[in-house]
Amino acid sequence: AQSVTQLGSHVSVSEGALVLLRCNYSSSVPPYLFWYVQYPNQGLQLLLKYTSAATLVKGINGFEAEFKKSETSFHLTKPSAHMSDAAEYFCAVSLYNFNKFYFGSGTKLNVKP
Amino acid sequence: GAVVSQHPSWVICKSGTSVKIECRSLDFQATTMFWYRQFPKQSLMLMATSNEGSKATYEQGVEKDKFLINHASLTLSTLTVTSAHPEDSSFYICSARDEGPHQPQHFGDGTRLSIL
Repeated sequence: AQSVTQLGSHVSVSEGALVLLRCNYSSSVPPYLFWYVQYPNQGLQLLLKYTSAATLVKGINGFEAEFKKSETSFHLTKPSAHMSDAAEYFCAVSLYNFNKFYFGSGTKLNVKP
Repeated sequence: GAVVSQHPSWVICKSGTSVKIECRSLDFQATTMFWYRQFPKQSLMLMATSNEGSKATYEQGVEKDKFLINHASLTLSTLTVTSAHPEDSSFYICSARDEGPHQPQHFGDGTRLSIL
């Protein structure tokens, strides 16, 4: 069975500080992993995806994530937070066919001036 | 590329009416589209997988007769909430996949449904 756990429903950082959003997964087969961002009253926008190529994945808006099989983790990071990064972030795992996505419960990122 | 358009973005209607939500892939063909429901401050819950030209596959606990899904073409899927009641009020989001390996789901902007 596949599942995703996002530790911390709310994360608050100061502008310019490091952003770290945690995601751990469980999967019975090699997973494909994704991070999406959601702004209020909008759909989800793909930030980045891991599809069994390079373990360090770079995405849009300066975000990146590292796939660590030994830790079953796919944490999202950004070196320097910007006010515009304030949003909700979802980690998701999918099987080989990408048809069934399992989403984490989401982490709301607050960026303080 | 890979734009998914969802319409309407907001709808308010009376209890007992039916509401149709459209999901279109604008610049790609989507054999498979997905319908999610999101409750306030919660994650997305997959309701059904919509396959072009065939019946949708519903997740456990989702009423097929309540949430009618039609995927008549490679660029359009519709979700109809029949005889809507206040408990059906929610944020509904569709997504679509482009063909080919390693293509992620692309999401529409969602529809806020409020039943009075």
